[in-house]
Amino acid sequence: EADIYQTPRYLVIGTGKKITLECSQTMGHDKMYWYQQDPGMELHLIHYSYGVNSTEKGDLSSESTVSRIRTEHFPLTLESARPSHTSQYLCASSESAAGVNEQYFGPGTRLTVT
Amino acid sequence: QKEVEQDPGPLSVPEGAIVSLNCTYSNSAFQYFMWYRQYSRKGPELLMYTYSSGNKEDGRFTAQVDKSSKYISLFIRDSQPSDSATYLCAGSNTGNQFYFGTGTSLTVIP
Repeated sequence: EADIYQTPRYLVIGTGKKITLECSQTMGHDKMYWYQQDPGMELHLIHYSYGVNSTEKGDLSSESTVSRIRTEHFPLTLESARPSHTSQYLCASSESAAGVNEQYFGPGTRLTVT
Repeated sequence: QKEVEQDPGPLSVPEGAIVSLNCTYSNSAFQYFMWYRQYSRKGPELLMYTYSSGNKEDGRFTAQVDKSSKYISLFIRDSQPSDSATYLCAGSNTGNQFYFGTGTSLTVIP
C-alpha cells in the first residue's frame, strides 16, 4: 500500500471560503501530482511538481494554486471556493528515477462547495 | 478527440469468469501504460505498469499492449467478487504526464 495521505477526506464548505487540501507522502518521491475526478469522467491533471520549488499547471484549467516547499508535502489551495469546484481531488506521487514512472495515489478529498 | 478512450460499461460477470477490459489511445508516441483499480470512494490503486508493446503478467492479472493498433487490455482470470471495482487505464509518451480513460465499472457476481 502506498504511503500517501490526503486530508481532509471529506469537506463541505460555503462559497467564497479559502481552503487548502493537504497531501503528503513518506516515500521520498520527487514527483507529485494533483488530479480532479468527476463521476463518469477521466482524471484530469491540474498541477504537478518535479521537485522542491518546482510547480507546473496541468492540462485542465484550474483556479487553484499549489506549493512545494518540502519534498513530502504538496498542498493545493483554492482562494475562493465556488460550487463549480465541487469534485474529487486526488494526489499522486512517483519516483524520478529513469524508467520508473508508476504513480501512486492517495485516498482523495471529496469537496462540496455549497 | 480524447487521448484515451475506455468503454464505461457497466460490465457484469459471474465469479470465476475471465474478464477482458480494453482501452484505445490516439497518440502513437505513447509508450508507458498503467492500469488502476478504484473502489468506491477510494483512490486508484496501481495494478500493472507496462512499457512499450507486449504482455506482462502478475498473478491473475495480465496486461497487454498492442502499439500497432493502439490498443491496451487487462485480463483478469478466475475473477472474484473482490475484483468488483472501476478499472482505469492510462497512457503517456514521456512517463511523466499520464492521460486516463474514464474507467470501466466491473461487477463480479458470486
